[in-house]
Amino acid sequence: GENVEQHPSTLSVQEGDSAVIKCTYSDSASNYFPWYKQELGKGPQLIIDIRSNVGEKKDQRIAVTLNKTAKHFSLHITETQPEDSAVYFCAAHLSNSGYALNFGKGTSLLVTP
Amino acid sequence: NAGVTQTPKFQVLKTGQSMTLQCAQDMNHEYMSWYRQDPGMGLRLIHYSVGAGITDQGEVPNGYNVSRSTTEDFPLRLLSAAPSQTSVYFCASSEGRSSSGNTIYFGEGSWLTVV
Repeated sequence: GENVEQHPSTLSVQEGDSAVIKCTYSDSASNYFPWYKQELGKGPQLIIDIRSNVGEKKDQRIAVTLNKTAKHFSLHITETQPEDSAVYFCAAHLSNSGYALNFGKGTSLLVTP
Repeated sequence: NAGVTQTPKFQVLKTGQSMTLQCAQDMNHEYMSWYRQDPGMGLRLIHYSVGAGITDQGEVPNGYNVSRSTTEDFPLRLLSAAPSQTSVYFCASSEGRSSSGNTIYFGEGSWLTVV
């Protein structure tokens, strides 16, 4: 089936530093790429998303970039804070259904004070 | 402001038992789905529905049944539970196609242990 690869699986940064998480996808027909944040014991929550007709999108301290030719997209978090500590998932829409998402395996981000 | 509601939150089953995980959404969303989350595996799609009376299989459908008799509800049935079905289950919904940029909203999860 179609794959979404996510790296790294764990990431530790100091408060105030930047964090970058990278994903690649295989379905060239995917055109929607959301990022979810999951805190312990909770369901995933959307933090930012990007459509394939856009190369970059920013929302305060978070940004996502998309390189559709290379089929990879990245999440950038600047000025990290301890409350950014969570598991982050990238996803790509499954073109054969149009509704469902194909998820990466997640990145556990730890921001140390 | 309920969103996607799942019950129960926690459940322990014996091998061979059956049970139903309930999911309800109050946003009049067309699309609903069930994912399971296992350590190091991310979220994998079990079944999904694009409207009342319409369901389809996802990546890992074996051992699970679904039905969609109303827009609001999308229960997941385990017919004969197996230890391999020990997992965290998430129900999700969206107004429309993710390919059109519609946000998928997740419930809080149901932790299932099969012994």
